[in-house]
Amino acid sequence: NAGVMQNPRHLVRRRGQEARLRCSPMKGHSHVYWYRQLPEEGLKFMVYLQKENIIDESGMPKERFSAEFPKEGPSILRIQQVVRGDSAAYFCASSPFRDNEQFFGPGTRLTVL
Amino acid sequence: DAKTTQPPSMDCAEGRAANLPCNHSTISGNEYVYWYRQIHSQGPQYIIHGLKNNETNEMASLIITEDRKSSTLILPHATLRDTAVYYCIVRVSGGSNYKLTFGKGTLLTVNP
Repeated sequence: NAGVMQNPRHLVRRRGQEARLRCSPMKGHSHVYWYRQLPEEGLKFMVYLQKENIIDESGMPKERFSAEFPKEGPSILRIQQVVRGDSAAYFCASSPFRDNEQFFGPGTRLTVL
Repeated sequence: DAKTTQPPSMDCAEGRAANLPCNHSTISGNEYVYWYRQIHSQGPQYIIHGLKNNETNEMASLIITEDRKSSTLILPHATLRDTAVYYCIVRVSGGSNYKLTFGKGTLLTVNP
């Protein structure tokens, strides 16, 4: 059973461009969570999605960030008009049910030039 | 969720047991203790969790005190690959428990 997959692993964008981060949960998992880890800081919750629904986006910045988890395909975290402060590692996790332990992917390291 | 307190760093000799403590004195009855670790530049890895009883799996053992105010994660035979930041997380059952709150954790360095 493959683990959580994220791509790309590394992404470089110039200020003002868009970044799209993809996450494929483990097989059988319908709950997806996104976390952000800024340099030298701990992971912070961003958003929780269940197939086609955003359950909690309280950790998402109000502007430029959006997330989706369509019926088919991976979950997407989208950052529009990136700024240098968006440079971070973005981790996706999945679980079969909400109360279960979360399994994390390898992360996408976003660098904004 | 209850706050946890962990030492910022610990050292352990390869092959010896690593005992990582965590204080969670304000834990309530329906809160579980979870442990994750993050090896440098990788995603966090689930290790173990428990409510009241001690737990053991192929990776580690979790010892929770009777009053549940503290716990210890035990890696019985530490290897160099166990060098990582270990996070103790208290997580309520139900509600918004999906929000894992990662503190600063303990950096465990296993020395040859």
